[in-house]
Amino acid sequence: GNSVTQMEGPVTLSEEAFLTINCTYTATGYPSLFWYVQYPGEGLQLLLKATKADDKGSNKGFEATYRKETTSFHLEKGSVQVSDSAVYFCALLNQAGTALIFGKGTTLSVSS
Amino acid sequence: EAGVVQSPRYKIIEKKQPVAFWCNPISGHNTLYWYRQNLGQGPELLIRYENEEAVDDSQLPKDRFSAERLKGVDSTLKIQPAELGDSAVYLCASSPRYSGSSTDTQYFGPGTRLTVL
Repeated sequence: GNSVTQMEGPVTLSEEAFLTINCTYTATGYPSLFWYVQYPGEGLQLLLKATKADDKGSNKGFEATYRKETTSFHLEKGSVQVSDSAVYFCALLNQAGTALIFGKGTTLSVSS
Repeated sequence: EAGVVQSPRYKIIEKKQPVAFWCNPISGHNTLYWYRQNLGQGPELLIRYENEEAVDDSQLPKDRFSAERLKGVDSTLKIQPAELGDSAVYLCASSPRYSGSSTDTQYFGPGTRLTVL
């Protein structure tokens, strides 16, 4: 079946540090991949997505590349800010577009 | 453009009591989803609607949970009676007309945090 595995948190960084949050997936066919972010007290917001192999999604300085050969979609940012503190969820949408499968989430805490 | 609206934002009830959550999707979005997010976990799908039809309710505990989307717009999710294990955040999401493609993006509301005492 389809599944998503994320690195466990919390991830604690200083401002301007480099961020990587690992995400790997198991799926049949060719899913789309997503990163959602959940700020404290708010709902899930789409951060970026990629719909096919080698696509790079990017938004707000965050990037992730769809790697079919390693079944990965790692999230990166070159210089994090305090305002990036949130929970980040990796997710896949199955090929039929009927089910969004989430990882458990990774909490990021950035201090100044 | 207004996002997905949910109410209430918080609800505290005693076990065995009923509770209902309301969701209004983004205008023009035909597909509506209800998810449950347990503490420290990612959201899990409960039910998916295409217009007013529930096309996937395989994960909905039908003994106590029910949902409706009578006019194909807003939706209500109900629990009766609630149990301690139902404490979670209930999220509603919507997406444009279902295209049968894995490129459809889902947009989430702020959720309702339910606490069952």
